[in-house]
Amino acid sequence: GAGVSQTPSNKVTEKGKYVELRCDPISGHTALYWYRQSLGQGPEFLIYFQGTGAADDSGLPNDRFFAVRPEGSVSTLKIQRTERGDSAMYLCASSLNDILAGGGNEQFFGPGTRLTVL
Amino acid sequence: LAKTTQPISMDSYEGQEVNITCSHNNIATNDYITWYQQFPSQGPRFIIQGYKTKVTNEVASLFIPADRKSSTLSLPRVSLSDTAVYYCLVGARYSSASKIIFGSGTRLSIRP
Repeated sequence: GAGVSQTPSNKVTEKGKYVELRCDPISGHTALYWYRQSLGQGPEFLIYFQGTGAADDSGLPNDRFFAVRPEGSVSTLKIQRTERGDSAMYLCASSLNDILAGGGNEQFFGPGTRLTVL
Repeated sequence: LAKTTQPISMDSYEGQEVNITCSHNNIATNDYITWYQQFPSQGPRFIIQGYKTKVTNEVASLFIPADRKSSTLSLPRVSLSDTAVYYCLVGARYSSASKIIFGSGTRLSIRP
């Protein structure tokens, strides 16, 4: 079956520009996560959605970062006024997270979007 | 949130058994222990999850002592393709607010 997909795979932008990163989770997965990963570091949690709502957005570094999941499936991470320090791999993951369906919080990750801010 | 501590790196040889230990002294009663594997330029991949004693699947085994303050991921007969970063995480299995902390992981290098 189809896994988590992310588009674009690479994004190069200039400082100050606006970018959108898209994540298509596994069908039926209610939980969706965004992470940011810098070279040599583990993934850094940004935000977690349960359905359409952001259950935990405490990892967003500042108000330039925003994410939506309007229909409880596809999610978009939006970064305004990009800075060079935003350059990283942005990972999306989804999980079933439904005790009634027998699925826990094992996360399935997408291939990531590599963002480079010049 | 329970914090985990792992070795930064480990080396081994093909065909050997590799054991990576993770410390999680502040693990909560409803926390599970989960391990992920990550290859360069790829997202992490779920390996195994457990709550207590021993869990085994086709890829690895997970040993958890009675006090649950640590866990050991065991990879039998490793090959070069097992070279990757391994992350240990703890958290509730079913939660409405599952903030996950990956840490820096253990960089495993397998030599011929």
